[in-house]
Amino acid sequence: SQELEQSPQSLIVQEGKNLTINCTSSKTLYGLYWYKQKYGEGLIFLMMLQKGGEEKSHEKITAKLDEKKQQSSLHITASQPSHAGIYLCGADLTGGGNKLTFGTGTQLKVEL
Amino acid sequence: ETGVTQTPRHLVMGMTNKKSLKCEQHLGHNAMYWYKQSAKKPLELMFVYNFKEQTENNSVPSRFSPECPNSSHLFLHLHTLQPEDSALYLCATRGAGEKLFFGSGTQLSVL
Repeated sequence: SQELEQSPQSLIVQEGKNLTINCTSSKTLYGLYWYKQKYGEGLIFLMMLQKGGEEKSHEKITAKLDEKKQQSSLHITASQPSHAGIYLCGADLTGGGNKLTFGTGTQLKVEL
Repeated sequence: ETGVTQTPRHLVMGMTNKKSLKCEQHLGHNAMYWYKQSAKKPLELMFVYNFKEQTENNSVPSRFSPECPNSSHLFLHLHTLQPEDSALYLCATRGAGEKLFFGSGTQLSVL
């Protein structure tokens, strides 16, 4: 099994709908990062969460960290076609801060 | 534009070829990484360099050979690869206490 599990693996939503992507770790989280990727391209940083209960927002995207559950969620409000892509969570699972372990990603499609 | 540039963007090579992937950064970061991304798999960390010294080799086969000649450049030398090595190879850099900055990747196909 993976150290970081993302759900769902893929998601199709209608434009304007809200959605949530989850990232669950089998180990203690020392830092949690959310990235977005377009197919075949590099990862673009979205948000970083480091403290339990922390919540950050940027435009219509909100990320939360539940340290006790070793889980993070990414919520998109009123989705737009520009939100389509692959969302990946990455985490520092060692506390050393030098490398990130990634989940398998969630592919999001937004239909008009 | 993340400040991390990878070349080439696409590469097709035969199993007997030798090729190199290049990563260049202008961020002044001291840590540089090679990740491999295969379909339906998580990103796999391959190598980590800190201050030009290799600090991690994640059990990568010897047909992949990294090189970090200076703090701005990172190479991945490839020789006698297998078809299952076909993947997107991503370079990333990191400053102290910061997030990873990724390049756009090299899409590699081994025939």
